[in-house]
This record gives sequence, C-alpha cells and structure tokens, in this order.
Amino acid sequence: KNQVEQSPQSLIILEGKNCTLQCNYTVSPFSNLRWYKQDTGRGPVSLTIMTFSENTKSNGRYTATLDADTKQSSLHITASQLSDSASYICVVSLPYYGNNRLAFGKGNQVVVIP
Amino acid sequence: SQTIHQWPATLVQPVGSPLSLECTVEGTSNPNLYWYRQAAGRGLQLLFYSVGIGQISSEVPQNLSASRPQDRQFILSSKKLLLSDSGFYLCAWSLGTGDGAFFGQGTRLTVV
Repeated sequence: KNQVEQSPQSLIILEGKNCTLQCNYTVSPFSNLRWYKQDTGRGPVSLTIMTFSENTKSNGRYTATLDADTKQSSLHITASQLSDSASYICVVSLPYYGNNRLAFGKGNQVVVIP
Repeated sequence: SQTIHQWPATLVQPVGSPLSLECTVEGTSNPNLYWYRQAAGRGLQLLFYSVGIGQISSEVPQNLSASRPQDRQFILSSKKLLLSDSGFYLCAWSLGTGDGAFFGQGTRLTVV
C-alpha cells in the first residue's frame, strides 16, 4: 500500500475559483511534508514545506495545512489562474538517513479552464 | 545557491540501443541523489538512489543501471533499451537532513 495517497486524482475548475487538494499519509514520524507543483513535461518545483509541528504554510495563493493527528495535509489554491494547471504532488520526508527517504503521492492533476 | 542540471531534455532512441542520461548538482556537497521515472498519468517511481560516490541502491529490478563516478554526478544507463523504458526521467538531490528533494527538469525518453 502506498504510504502517501492523494485525492482527487484529477480536478477541473473554473478560472477564479478555489480548490482544495488532499494528501493522506501513513508514514510516522516524518521530518517534513512538501507540496510540489509539476508543470507538464517539467520537473517538480517545491511550493511549501512543513515540519511535523507546523499546521499551515502559505506561498502566495497556495496554502498548505497539516494535521498530524489525522495524518492529513491539504493544499488550497485561491482564485485559481490558468497557470495553476499542473500536477500537485505531496511528498513526505522520512526521518532516517541514507535509505529510501522520500514517500511520494501520485499527484493531483488540476486543470483550470477559462 | 544550489542548482541541478539534467540532460538531454528529450531523447528518441531505437529499441536495443544504449542509454546514458547525466545529472549534475552544483552548490552543495555529498548530496543524496535520486533517479525517478514517471509514466504517463502515473506517480513518481524511485529507480535508484545514492548516498555517496560509488554507492548505488536499486529500488526495482529493471533494464537500467546507475553510477555515481563523482560526488555530484549521477548517471542513468542501459545497455539495450526496451520499449517499456519510455517515460519521463527525473534526477533529484537532497541533503541528509530530511528536507525534501529538488528536481531537475527531466528527460522525456521515447523508445521506438
């Protein structure tokens, strides 16, 4: 079973609307949780990073939340723009050194339409 | 600041031909290095990771191999490509502090 599950798998939203992406994880403890944005044909770019003790982190119109009790994180996109069309990937960093230290979700595919 | 370079950006190779993708990192020392593959519509699959020169761990059995001849150089290779090797390959680096990974721009490999 994948250690990081994301939902919905894909989402179509109208330009200007808000949306929320979900990430449920089973790995615990962890060092940090990151949300990445991956444009088609490009490498993922980090949007936010939160440690185990943080509850929220913002980067412009992107706001990530973390609930360590329920092992859930969300990424909220406010006032979506066409350029927000991308895959959003939740990644959990495991705390031990040297081994397979990153657990990836499969991504939320977001399409923003005018 | 740290940067990661990955090339080529796109590659079309015939079945049975060899492969060499290169990745280099600048601005850091002794990074963990990773090769991932992303099939269309799928998540990132870890292929290899390395915690130091000459130290390679393979996550899945496959037709590919990896090498780390220098501290900040990571190479993905194959002696004979298969059609199933087509995909989007990403190189990434991280430090041992658990702060996540930074990715290259990726290589789109099409085996024909």
